Amino acid sequence: AQSVSQHNHHVILSEAASLELGCNYSYGGTVNLFWYVQYPGQHLQLLLKYFSGDPLVKGIKGFEAEFIKSKFSFNLRKPSVQWSDTAEYFCAVKRVGGFQKLVFGTGTRLLVSP
Amino acid sequence: GAGVSQSPRYKVAKRGQDVALRCDPISGHVSLFWYQQALGQGPEFLTYFQNEAQLDKSGLPSDRFFAERPEGSVSTLKIQRTQQEDSAVYLCASSLGAVLRPNQPQHFGDGTRLSIL
Repeated sequence: AQSVSQHNHHVILSEAASLELGCNYSYGGTVNLFWYVQYPGQHLQLLLKYFSGDPLVKGIKGFEAEFIKSKFSFNLRKPSVQWSDTAEYFCAVKRVGGFQKLVFGTGTRLLVSP
Repeated sequence: GAGVSQSPRYKVAKRGQDVALRCDPISGHVSLFWYQQALGQGPEFLTYFQNEAQLDKSGLPSDRFFAERPEGSVSTLKIQRTQQEDSAVYLCASSLGAVLRPNQPQHFGDGTRLSIL
């Protein structure tokens, strides 16, 4: 079965530190990839997405992610985090070709201390 | 503009009771999804509608779970004879998702937090 792994369950950073959250998936076919963010008390929001083309995608709030097909990875990065980035981050994968559901990782809780 | 609306936000029920959770998708969105999110986990797919047709219900954990979208807009997820393991946040998502526009992201509601006592 298809699965998504997020290796870091909890990450604590100071403001201005750089961030990289890992995401790996197990499906070998063509996929669409997503990062969602959930701020405290809010609903899941789309941070960025990859469908095709340039494997380096830029999202909102200075986030970016790189799709490395050979490594089945889609890691999320931000050069300098802010206190307001404190949230839970979910990686999700959708198989291309008739399958509509998203398969999510277990999430990474990020705490940024001021 | 209005996002995906779910009600109630919180539901407490006794074990054995039936519950019904409502989802109002974004207007014009063809695709509608239900996910279940247990504590400390990512959302897990339950079922998917395209308009009123339920095209995938492979994620429904048992026959106690039933979802409908009779007019292709509002959807209801019903859980019969609830059990403690049904306690979770139930998320609804919608997308434009028509056949001609497949690459559309899913937009999520705030969820319904269900607690079974």
